Amino acid sequence: AQTVTQSQPEMSVQEAETVTLSCTYDTSESDYYLFWYKQPPSRQMILVIRQEAYKQQNATENRFSVNFQKAAKSFSLKISDSQLGDAAMYFCAYRSAFTANAGKSTFGDGTTLTVKP
Amino acid sequence: EAGVAQSPRYKIIEKRQSVAFWCNPISGHATLYWYQQILGQGPKLLIQFQNNGVVDDSQLPKDRFSAERLKGVDSTLKIQPAKLEDSAVYLCASSLGFSGGPYEQYFGPGTRLTVT
Repeated sequence: AQTVTQSQPEMSVQEAETVTLSCTYDTSESDYYLFWYKQPPSRQMILVIRQEAYKQQNATENRFSVNFQKAAKSFSLKISDSQLGDAAMYFCAYRSAFTANAGKSTFGDGTTLTVKP
Repeated sequence: EAGVAQSPRYKIIEKRQSVAFWCNPISGHATLYWYQQILGQGPKLLIQFQNNGVVDDSQLPKDRFSAERLKGVDSTLKIQPAKLEDSAVYLCASSLGFSGGPYEQYFGPGTRLTVT
């Protein structure tokens, strides 16, 4: 079974600065997808960024980028130029690419990010 | 496009009572998920549907939880009888598919269940 570990329950960052959230996962599969989701207080969870395991290039989406280290099974999220609206709980998620595993998703327990003005 | 709809948003029941949650996914999304999110934890998958068939219910406590997806669209999750440890937010999500690509999941607002 796959596991996802987010070792930082809470993080804080000053507005306009950069912060990195950590995520490690354990799997025996060779093909999978990784995601970062954001859950603002009392609001719906939304996708921040995704990475396909077979792609060596790290994904980027505007101020959000990942550092994907497949051998180390590490998938960290970097938020540049942090904004007040980035304050939320961030979840790292693993999804199998194998149909036999029904594309099963596993989520970490989240990191609460506080942005200080 | 309309997002994933869930109702009710909040529910308070006593232990041993029954409760049902409803979810309407995004139109055209074949895959529907129900998650349980206990306070301070990440979502835990309860059941996953592809159209109206179950593809994964390995973590669903089948002695008290049941779910169905009518005609491959709406879905209902039921708990009967409820226990104190069922207090959580129940999230519904949908995606275009589950294989063949990094399909993202679109989440509903969730139903917050409190069992007293």
